[in-house]
Amino acid sequence: GAGVSQSPSNKVTEKGKDVELRCDPISGHTALYWYRQRLGQGLEFLIYFQGNSAPDKSGLPSDRFSAERTGESVSTLTIQRTQQEDSAVYLCASSLSFSGEQYFGPGTRLTVT
Amino acid sequence: DAKTTQPNSMESNEEEPVHLPCNHSTISGTDYIHWYRQLPSQGPEYVIHGLTSNVNNRMASLAIAEDRKSSTLILHRATLRDAAVYYCILRDLSGGSNYKLTFGKGTLLTVNP
Repeated sequence: GAGVSQSPSNKVTEKGKDVELRCDPISGHTALYWYRQRLGQGLEFLIYFQGNSAPDKSGLPSDRFSAERTGESVSTLTIQRTQQEDSAVYLCASSLSFSGEQYFGPGTRLTVT
Repeated sequence: DAKTTQPNSMESNEEEPVHLPCNHSTISGTDYIHWYRQLPSQGPEYVIHGLTSNVNNRMASLAIAEDRKSSTLILHRATLRDAAVYYCILRDLSGGSNYKLTFGKGTLLTVNP
């Protein structure tokens, strides 16, 4: 079946602009996660959705970052007034439940110039 | 989360078996041993997990020591596509908040043709 998809695959934006990153999870997966991975670094947790509620937003780095999820499907991560330190690969993952194996999308590579 | 220790890198030849070790001497009774891998320029990929008994799936086998202080991921016949960074992590699935995946440096596996 279809895996997790993310769009766009690459995004180059100017400092100060807003960006929206999209994630389509595997159908039927109630849990959805956003992570960030800077070049050569490990995963940095951003936010967790169970259904369309977000019980854990603790990883969002600042109030410039927000995310929402429609039902148990699409999620968007929005970064307002982008800064150069926001440059990274943003990864989305989904799982059947919070304790299940997480299936990752290919990521969106964000470059802020 | 309890810590894991893995070699920084390993090398193998194509079509030969690969044994990737992981030490987790402070593992607790409710920690599951999970393995993920990350191919170049891709999102992480779930490989296998287990608690006490050895596990097999289509991708790999997981051998868990009797005292659970170490484990070994076994790729039975390495292919060039198996070249990746392999992460061994512990997840306590008894609680309600252990959905955040935290990767260490992992083992960079190089497969020679």
